[in-house]
Amino acid sequence: AQRVTQPEKLLSVFKGAPVELKCNYSYSGSPELFWYVQYSRQRLQLLLRHISRESIKGFTADLNKGETSFHLKKPFAQEEDSAMYYCATSGSARQLTFGSGTQLTVLP
Amino acid sequence: EAQVTQNPRYLITVTGKKLTVTCSQNMNHEYMSWYRQDPGLGLRQIYYSMNVEVTDKGDVPEGYKVSRKEKRNFPLILESPSPNQTSLYFCASRTSGTYEQYFGPGTRLTVT
Repeated sequence: AQRVTQPEKLLSVFKGAPVELKCNYSYSGSPELFWYVQYSRQRLQLLLRHISRESIKGFTADLNKGETSFHLKKPFAQEEDSAMYYCATSGSARQLTFGSGTQLTVLP
Repeated sequence: EAQVTQNPRYLITVTGKKLTVTCSQNMNHEYMSWYRQDPGLGLRQIYYSMNVEVTDKGDVPEGYKVSRKEKRNFPLILESPSPNQTSLYFCASRTSGTYEQYFGPGTRLTVT
């Protein structure tokens, strides 16, 4: 069964500092990887997906099949980036499996 | 406006009193899912449905029931709620051609 690991429950960085949220996955096939974000008191929303190779709100994520990782990065964190971030992967039965989430706090 | 709606948004109930949380989407999506979100555990799937009258268990289905009689609706039923079902519940939907899920606003349930 697929599994997604986000090792950091909490992550704090200062405004303007680089930020990296880690995600490792286990899936034997060719998964699709996603990052979802949940701002305070808002619903989860898709941030980015690996197949589109896009940058959203300054965030990027590269799929590293050798390390089975899909870390989320931003070179200069902003206070409005403070949120809960979930990594997710597709898997069997065409369902998404989510990690346990990382709460990012960007300090002024 | 394309959206997923849930009702109620907040609910406090007592152990054993049956309740239903409704979920509705207006995007004609085939797939619908229910998740619960708990601190430190992230999002865990309870049940999902691939289309009308087709439902299957997710990772944590015990104590829950669902039905999919219409494409737009996917209610979550707790026949006999217990305190360990106190959680934040999210409904989500997506079309069959993508994994991008659209989430509802969440329902915060407290069972005393």
